[in-house]
Amino acid sequence: EDKVVQSPLSLVVHEGDTVTLNCSYEVTNFRSLLWYKQEKKAPTFLFMLTSSGIEKKSGRLSSILDKKELFSILNITATQTGDSAIYLCATQGGSEKLVFGKGTKLTVNP
Amino acid sequence: GAVVSQHPSWVICKSGTSVKIECRSLDFQATTMFWYRQFPKQSLMLMATSNEGSKATYEQGVEKDKFLINHASLTLSTLTVTSAHPEDSSFYICSAPYPLRAQYNEQFFGPGTRLTVL
Repeated sequence: EDKVVQSPLSLVVHEGDTVTLNCSYEVTNFRSLLWYKQEKKAPTFLFMLTSSGIEKKSGRLSSILDKKELFSILNITATQTGDSAIYLCATQGGSEKLVFGKGTKLTVNP
Repeated sequence: GAVVSQHPSWVICKSGTSVKIECRSLDFQATTMFWYRQFPKQSLMLMATSNEGSKATYEQGVEKDKFLINHASLTLSTLTVTSAHPEDSSFYICSAPYPLRAQYNEQFFGPGTRLTVL
């Protein structure tokens, strides 16, 4: 059974801090790993990672995948209060369905 | 990007009644859609895969007779919670894959439906 484990489950930081969120996985016929940000409603897409070692970047957020060690990290630099959310990691295997981790709840205090 | 809508965004119903939730892909066709459920402070759990033109595929532990799924067209899937009970109260989210490249699909999520069963 496919499995996605995120750590930490929750994190509280101050504005300006840099955070690293972790995601490890076990997936049959791995195709991609995705990161989502969830605030009040449905998740919003951040990144899709398919290849090892290639960093994806969007503003202060970046992510990288290690297919050998079966994990990914999501970095957020210079955090802002608006970054407070639950960050979800999901993997896609042989089928199109996504398997989600439990998420990391990030709280950024002013 | 692609848009997926859900209707209604929230619904309150009495125990024992049925509730229908719609999921539409607005600017693309989706032969497959996914239905998730999210309880408070928990992650998204896949309930079922909705397949246009064939029966839905349910995940282990999800009652197919209770959660009826109909993929009526290439842009519409519906989830009907039959004989709803308070424990069915949850946040229901659908998603549809949108092909980025031949091999990889991005999943677009609907805004979700908050169901409260009294």
